[in-house]
Amino acid sequence: GAVVSQHPSWVICKSGTSVKIECRSLDFQATTMFWYRQFPKQSLMLMATSNEGSKATYEQGVEKDKFLINHASLTLSTLTVTSAHPEDSSFYICSAGAGGSYEQYFGPGTRLTVT
Amino acid sequence: GESVGLHLPTLSVQEGDNSIINCAYSNSASDYFIWYKQESGKGPQFIIDIRSNMDKRQGQRVTVLLNKTVKHLSLQIAATQPGDSAVYFCAENGSIQGGKLIFGQGTELSVKP
Repeated sequence: GAVVSQHPSWVICKSGTSVKIECRSLDFQATTMFWYRQFPKQSLMLMATSNEGSKATYEQGVEKDKFLINHASLTLSTLTVTSAHPEDSSFYICSAGAGGSYEQYFGPGTRLTVT
Repeated sequence: GESVGLHLPTLSVQEGDNSIINCAYSNSASDYFIWYKQESGKGPQFIIDIRSNMDKRQGQRVTVLLNKTVKHLSLQIAATQPGDSAVYFCAENGSIQGGKLIFGQGTELSVKP
């Protein structure tokens, strides 16, 4: 149980284009989903917290107009990187919480490369 | 504590030896701690967790020790195997963080056959 999927697993896009990454909880309802970003040889850095049906809460220094997050249902959250630039190239990981506990279940990550 | 972009420390062990990975956490009010294993190109995988009302918890081949006095967490892996090679992260959570995980910087474990 508690499986989280991400799609796509990797994506290459051209500078200036937008990319959407999906995060799904497959066998449970996720009241809260989290989006992380990870650069090579570094730790996970939380970008934003999204709650179903409400606006995401962004961490300090994360541009909300560049990283659009939508959590329209209890099983799906999306992260859209708008007007992507090479410095946005990174590993993006989502996690989902089932509510009522501190446990989070992580997706397999999405490798974004912007050329 | 929160990662600020530092490069990963590494630990190299011989297959069959025991490994100890250490972590200093940042907030004395945290009440939930987790160890994750991350293999290259994959998401973090849950290993073991511990709540602040405990100081030791054992799983299969793994033990987590919590020392709240010095805000220190350790992960012990018994009889380390090549498949244990990965990056290990500690994370802390609790009401003070509002449910947000705060990750440590991570340690890269390399197991020599």
